Amino acid sequence: DQQVKQNSPSLSVQEGRISILNCDYTNSMFDYFLWYKKYPAEGPTFLISISSIKDKNEDGRFTVFLNKSAKHLSLHIVPSQPGDSAVYFCAASLSGNTPLVFGKGTRLSVIA
Amino acid sequence: KAGVTQTPRYLIKTRGQQVTLSCSPISGHRSVSWYQQTPGQGLQFLFEYFSETQRNKGNFPGRFSGRQFSNSRSEMNVSTLELGDSALYLCASTRTGQNTEAFFGQGTRLTVV
Repeated sequence: DQQVKQNSPSLSVQEGRISILNCDYTNSMFDYFLWYKKYPAEGPTFLISISSIKDKNEDGRFTVFLNKSAKHLSLHIVPSQPGDSAVYFCAASLSGNTPLVFGKGTRLSVIA
Repeated sequence: KAGVTQTPRYLIKTRGQQVTLSCSPISGHRSVSWYQQTPGQGLQFLFEYFSETQRNKGNFPGRFSGRQFSNSRSEMNVSTLELGDSALYLCASTRTGQNTEAFFGQGTRLTVV
């Protein structure tokens, strides 16, 4: 049973527009969430995280929103750039003390 | 500061063989976790070592094992390789074992033929 789900395997967005990547989780005990970006033949790179005590965290062009009641989080990238084209993974943990549970990823293509 | 280093980057093995993969964490990091990435399955947790002790283990058969040395370097071993073991094996390190910001290596691409 998948505890972290990224239901969109792929997403295409035009350069300059907003990219919204979604993630749902089933385990209500998760309280720490991370987003990673992965290019082919490279390891995942940490992007941004959020603790369940917040509902929003921003870092430059990246913003993560957390809706605890819906068990849903989203990553917004604005404006999207061609270099953002990669696979994005959502991950969850219990207070950061347990192994990360990853979604299957969403491939983002930003078209110039 | 050097990142997480995994060796080798690519490996081709035959069914039935065994393989050892290596991971050197970021200097000062004491926790190393291993993940398997296969197409369509995302990243699945294998095990985590902290100060030479296995602290967590994922749902993988006993053919998958690991260890951590006193310098925090870690190895994982897969015995009696099966075709389904073909995957990208990723190692991540954290300073304290808190997965609030785990740093990943580039991975070892294992192909079993």
